[in-house]
Order: sequence, then structure tokens, then C-alpha cells
Amino acid sequence: AQKVTQAQTEISVVEKEDVTLDCVYETRDTTYYLFWYKQPPSGELVFLIRRNSFDEQNEISGRYSWNFQKSTSSFNFTITASQVVDSAVYFCALSEAATTDKVIFGPGTSLSVIP
Amino acid sequence: DGGITQSPKYLFRKEGQNVTLSCEQNLNHDAMYWYRQDPGQGLRLIYYSQIVNDFQKGDIAEGYSVSREKKESFPLTVTSAQKNPTAFYLCASSRQGAGMDTEAFFGQGTRLTVV
Repeated sequence: AQKVTQAQTEISVVEKEDVTLDCVYETRDTTYYLFWYKQPPSGELVFLIRRNSFDEQNEISGRYSWNFQKSTSSFNFTITASQVVDSAVYFCALSEAATTDKVIFGPGTSLSVIP
Repeated sequence: DGGITQSPKYLFRKEGQNVTLSCEQNLNHDAMYWYRQDPGQGLRLIYYSQIVNDFQKGDIAEGYSVSREKKESFPLTVTSAQKNPTAFYLCASSRQGAGMDTEAFFGQGTRLTVV
């Protein structure tokens, strides 16, 4: 069965601090896809990154970076030098190649960046 | 601008009434989805459609119905059979299955409250 766990329900950091959001997934498929989405207070989810199971390279995009480790089934997301605009709920998600129509979302982590 | 439009943003329903949530997209996407978001539970898939005049049940379809008569439109009806309809509803679309190598685009959501 597929499952996504985001153990951190809420995180508060002071502006300019670095913060890592954890994501642990479970899947029996060897081919799968991992996603991160951001949900600002306005409500809509914004796509951040997509990673397939054959690509374990870490990725950096500006202040955002992602660490994908198949050995620990984790896909963690780090924000460097956090800003108030980073305050949002962040969702990690998983889909398997066999059931690509269904994306399973984790419960989300609510990040508050305090000025 | 291309995107997904959900309406209304807020909706109040009396118990026993059916209510329809609108979702329109002008991205020319084939796939459309409805998710329900409850606090601390992430997003759960209600229904999805990969092509006009075809749709499939998601994980929590009971008490809901959909139609896909046009590529651009995927309305969701919350029926009186839905026991606990108060939630935040998100519509999404993608070029193909959201779990494949593509991202999903989300609307700003409809917050439904039963009074």
C-alpha cells in the first residue's frame, strides 16, 4: 500500500533560519513519483517539484533544496534563509507507476516564518 | 491567463440539500480531479476524469457525484447522502494522469459549510 507521512504537523522558525520539512513514503512499486506542493493562505496548491524513483540526485532551486534517499524512503525539503512569504502548508505526495491516476498526499506541514 | 476557476469560494448548505461546486479550466488539460481537504488529513481523492464523458471514483466517492460533459468543466455535486460534507474542496487538472511525469494545477478551492 502507498502511504506518505509528514510527522511535523506545525513548524515555526524565525526569518532567515533554515528549515527542513520531512517526508517519508511507503510503496511496493519500483517505479514511482514524488511531489512537493505549497498551499499558501489563498488556498490553491502550487507545484514545487517532481522526482521519479530512478533519479536520486538532490536538487536545488534558489533557496529550496530537496534530498531524495531511497535507502530511507525519504524525500525531505529544505528552505534556506526562510522568509515570511514561505509561510504556508507544504504537502508531500506520492504516486505509483501502476496507479498513476491517483496521487496520495501526506497530511501536510504548516510552516510559520516569524519576522 | 490560463488556470482553474472554482466557484463559489464559500458555500453554505442546509442539511438534506444537494449542492453543486463548479470547476472550469482553460488549460486544455485532459485530466481533472476533485479532492477534499480536512484539517490534519491532507487531500483525499473524490473523483477523477481522464477524458470527456468518463470518470472514476476515488477513495471517498460516497455521497458525491460528478459529470464531464465538456473538457473544460468538471462539476461536483455534494448530495444529501454525504454524512459530513463540511470541508474544503479543491479541483485540479493535469495534461495527463497526475501521477505521471506531469504536474497538477489547482483551483483556489471552495469552502463548504453545512448549517
